[in-house]
Amino acid sequence: DSGVTQTPKHLITATGQRVTLRCSPRSGDLSVYWYQQSLDQGLQFLIQYYNGEERAKGNILERFSAQQFPDLHSELNLSSLELGDSALYFCASSVSPTNGQPQHFGDGTRLSIL
Amino acid sequence: AQTVTQSQPEMSVQEAETVTLSCTYDTSENNYYLFWYKQPPSRQMILVIRQEAYKQQNATENRFSVNFQKAAKSFSLKISDSQLGDTAMYFCAFMKTQGGSEKLVFGKGTKLTVNP
Repeated sequence: DSGVTQTPKHLITATGQRVTLRCSPRSGDLSVYWYQQSLDQGLQFLIQYYNGEERAKGNILERFSAQQFPDLHSELNLSSLELGDSALYFCASSVSPTNGQPQHFGDGTRLSIL
Repeated sequence: AQTVTQSQPEMSVQEAETVTLSCTYDTSENNYYLFWYKQPPSRQMILVIRQEAYKQQNATENRFSVNFQKAAKSFSLKISDSQLGDTAMYFCAFMKTQGGSEKLVFGKGTKLTVNP
């Protein structure tokens, strides 16, 4: 058990809809990362937050947004969903975003768009 | 941009034998970190081993060790005494230090099957 909690584990929805994925980092971790894993793109970095502030953006679509709350949990919002958004979405956390601290991953949310 | 290449899409090994997974990366950075992650069929991403680029000594974690060749930009993973539970996808990942932002850049992965 990595200590990172992601909910829900599975999500099935239709094109055009909006969903919210939730992540609770390990106790003591201040930095949260979101990654997308798909068959064609592999594992790709989406966005990072540290102590409530956005620190870095990767290949995140404008239809996607995220935030980190004062209790350090994070949410990834995906809107106007398309078939190509079907993927496994991981949240990872680390103590801090410096000195190569290992990132510990949650079990992921499997998103299926019908 | 950094890239990570895993040239072996699939590998297999007999239980109790040793196997080496290859990884090369491209970067102009001098300070960075390298990782191997394991993803079993349960789909969890599990940290296997971490290497600091400024350390010449190769990292080891029990049956897992790396061969880090900085000049060649190579970072291979050796699994000794392979066990059935080692069956998984293995991802090599690169992280550069970037002032408060340290994202992971992953390779495409190597699917390892350990046969009884």
